[in-house]
Formats: sequence, C-alpha cells, structure tokens
Amino acid sequence: AQKVTQAQTEISVVEKEDVTLDCVYETRDTTYYLFWYKQPPSGELVFLIRRNSFDEQNEISGRYSWNFQKSTSSFNFTITASQVVDSAVYFCALGLGVGYQKVTFGIGTKLQVIP
Amino acid sequence: DAGVIQSPRHEVTEMGQEVTLRCKPISGHNSLFWYRQTMMRGLELLIYFNNNVPIDDSGMPEDRFSAKMPNASFSTLKIQPSEPRDSAVYFCASADSFTGELFFGEGSRLTVL
Repeated sequence: AQKVTQAQTEISVVEKEDVTLDCVYETRDTTYYLFWYKQPPSGELVFLIRRNSFDEQNEISGRYSWNFQKSTSSFNFTITASQVVDSAVYFCALGLGVGYQKVTFGIGTKLQVIP
Repeated sequence: DAGVIQSPRHEVTEMGQEVTLRCKPISGHNSLFWYRQTMMRGLELLIYFNNNVPIDDSGMPEDRFSAKMPNASFSTLKIQPSEPRDSAVYFCASADSFTGELFFGEGSRLTVL
C-alpha cells in the first residue's frame, strides 16, 4: 500500500520568514516518483516538482528547495523568504511504477503568509 | 496546447439526478486520472486509465459511480443517482506515463441538493 502523510494541516508565517512543509511517504516499491503541487485560492493545481526514487539530490528553484531523504522516507519542501503569494495549499504526492502511475496525494498543508 | 479541459465547471443538481462530468486530456498523454477533492478527505484518486483502459478503479466509492474512456481524447465520470455527499470538486488530470507529471484541469464543482 502507498501512503503520503503531511502532518502539518495549517501553517502561518509572517512574510519573509522561511517555512518548511513536511512530507513522509510509505511504499514498498523501489521505483517511485514524488511530487509537490500547489493549489492557490483560485483552485487550480499547479505542478512544482517531480523527483524519482533514484535521484536523492536536493533541488533548488529560486526561493523553493526540496530535500529528499530515502533513509527517512521524507521529501520536505522549504520556501525561503516567504511572500503573500505563497499562500496556498501544498500537496505532496507519490506515484508508483513505470508506465502505469498510480499517484496518491497527501491531505495537504495550508500555508498562510501574513503581510 | 489547451491543457486538460473539463466540463461543466459548475453543476448544481438535485438528489437522485444523474450527473455526467467530462474531460478532454492533453493530446498525446496516455494516462488519465479522475480525482475528487473534499475538505474532509482531500484529493482522492477515483480511477485511472492507461491507453484508454481502466487500470485501477479501487477508489470509486460505490456502484453509483462509473467512468469511461471511449477514446484517447475523451473521458466521462458519471454519478447515478447522485447524493448530497457527492458534493465535491472533481478533477481530471492527464499525464505522459513515462514522465509521470500530472496536468490537472480546472475542476468541476458539483453541488447535490
């Protein structure tokens, strides 16, 4: 069975603070993909990143960075110098298999950035 | 590309009525997913198709729900009869199964009175 746990349901930070969103996953498969998606108040789901299970390198994209640690089955997401526009619900997701990808989402973390 | 197109964007219906949600995936994508989003349960995978074939429908809540993909450019999710607890936003997503990135439509917000 596959499972994604986002223990933080809601986080509030003041603008310019750094914030880390936690994601822990469970799977017995050795080949899998991890994703982060953003859902702003307008409701659409926006792709942020995809990482495969064989690539543990951390990634940085502007103010966003991701820390993938297979040893702890975690794929955490950090926003540096948060901005009001970062306010959204963030979903971590796990996709299994190659070819057929069953993608399971976590419950989401609602981030509120206060001006 | 126009992206994943869903219709209708909003649907209000009465309990017991049939509801049909429609999805046009991105051309060339061979995987299609239907998700339901509610406050209580978040994003739930209902069913997914690969090359128009249903692969896993274990998330379909009950027999009132059915999904079809008659060709590579069209899928439907049908609820018959609808109930108030079906009220949710239903998302369709498509993906190239080798890259795995899901592209979501804007969702269909269903309200069952």
